[in-house]
Amino acid sequence: EVQLVESGGGLVQPGGSLRLSCAASGFTFSSYWMSWVRQAPGKGLEWVANIKQDASEKYYVDSVKGRFTISRDNAKNSLYLQMDSLRAEDTAVYYCARTPGTSPFDYWGQGALVTVSS
Amino acid sequence: DIQMTQSPSTLSASVGDTVIITCRASQSINSWLAWYQQKPGKAPKLLIYKASSLQSGVPSRFSGRGSGTEFTLTITSLQPDDFATYYCQQYNSYSIFTFGPGTKVDIK
Repeated sequence: EVQLVESGGGLVQPGGSLRLSCAASGFTFSSYWMSWVRQAPGKGLEWVANIKQDASEKYYVDSVKGRFTISRDNAKNSLYLQMDSLRAEDTAVYYCARTPGTSPFDYWGQGALVTVSS
Repeated sequence: DIQMTQSPSTLSASVGDTVIITCRASQSINSWLAWYQQKPGKAPKLLIYKASSLQSGVPSRFSGRGSGTEFTLTITSLQPDDFATYYCQQYNSYSIFTFGPGTKVDIK
């Protein structure tokens, strides 16, 4: 059974940093692109970043470029999102999602809440 | 960047109705379109990919059509479990994915 479990969310002050983790199981993690998607309270879905199987390609939505870094450790079946210079508008539930070739996100984690507030 | 729009933003329907949600892309995305269902407090669930392919385990009352810039999601014989918010998403390129703003289907 495919499972994605996020951790690392919490309350952080504006300008601060946080690192999200996503532990994957039930599939060959190293064979898939992986992504982060977020949802601000009461708002729609927003793709944040994705990363190729070997980490040779990484892409980001414009609003987080230069502040967020996506990475992965295939030996640990884990995906990460390092978030720096956080702003109030980054407050959201952050989901990790598996990204096969024919469909964008076929499995999702349960989400991790990040709150940026003083 | 490719922009996605959805209509309507809210749809009121009854059990047994057929509902149609429209999604439009600002430029051609061929058939690289997916549909998701999301219920409050839950992660989205993939329903349709590549515009018309039904994800495994999704009931056949869900169907998708379209290509290029205009797409539809049809739910025939609406069930109580189908009241939710639906999002379309383009994935024409790995370098940027874009979601539509969502369509909430609620009970009339």
